[in-house]
Amino acid sequence: GQNIDQPTEMTATEGAIVQINCTYQTSGFNGLFWYQQHAGEAPTFLSYNVLDGLEEKGRFSSFLSRSKGYSYLLLKELQMKDSASYLCAVNDQAGTALIFGKGTTLSVSS
Amino acid sequence: GAVVSQHPSRVICKSGTSVKIECRSLDFQATTMFWYRQFPKQSLMLMATSNEGSKATYEQGVEKDKFLINHASLTLSTLTVTSAHPEDSSFYICSARIRTDNYGYTFGSGTRLTVV
Repeated sequence: GQNIDQPTEMTATEGAIVQINCTYQTSGFNGLFWYQQHAGEAPTFLSYNVLDGLEEKGRFSSFLSRSKGYSYLLLKELQMKDSASYLCAVNDQAGTALIFGKGTTLSVSS
Repeated sequence: GAVVSQHPSRVICKSGTSVKIECRSLDFQATTMFWYRQFPKQSLMLMATSNEGSKATYEQGVEKDKFLINHASLTLSTLTVTSAHPEDSSFYICSARIRTDNYGYTFGSGTRLTVV
């Protein structure tokens, strides 16, 4: 079956760095996505990994290890506005829907 | 570019009535649309995949006669919740497969359905 695991909740303080982990077991693999979602809104694309390694985009970085079925999203210089849910999603076959994890609710405090 | 417009954003309906949710691709042709449902503090659960001009493919456990999906054109897909019950209250969101910098998926803004 398809399974994507990530922590339910995390807390951090402004200016800190936080790493959100995601492990997956899927029948196939055609890329891993990270999205940010605020309550009642659509997910916003953050990053995409299909090859092993680190992808950096400003304050956000995402890492993938396909052999380990593992990814993480790294958020640097945290801001209050980064308080949101972060969703790990896998595409297991080209052209099909994304499979989402349950999301990690991140709370950033001052 | 690659915007999906979803309406309504919020709807409250009485138990037993039907509600239609529309997703329109504004500047591209959406040959495939995915419909998700999200309960509070839960993730997006895929309900069905619709392809233009053909019948939708439903995920296991999703009642096709209750959640009617129509994808009659390349720019419009609709989800109709028939005979709605309070347990159908949820956040419904559509997603289209496209090719852009965000590597192929764009989302509608979601519909908050409350059945009373």
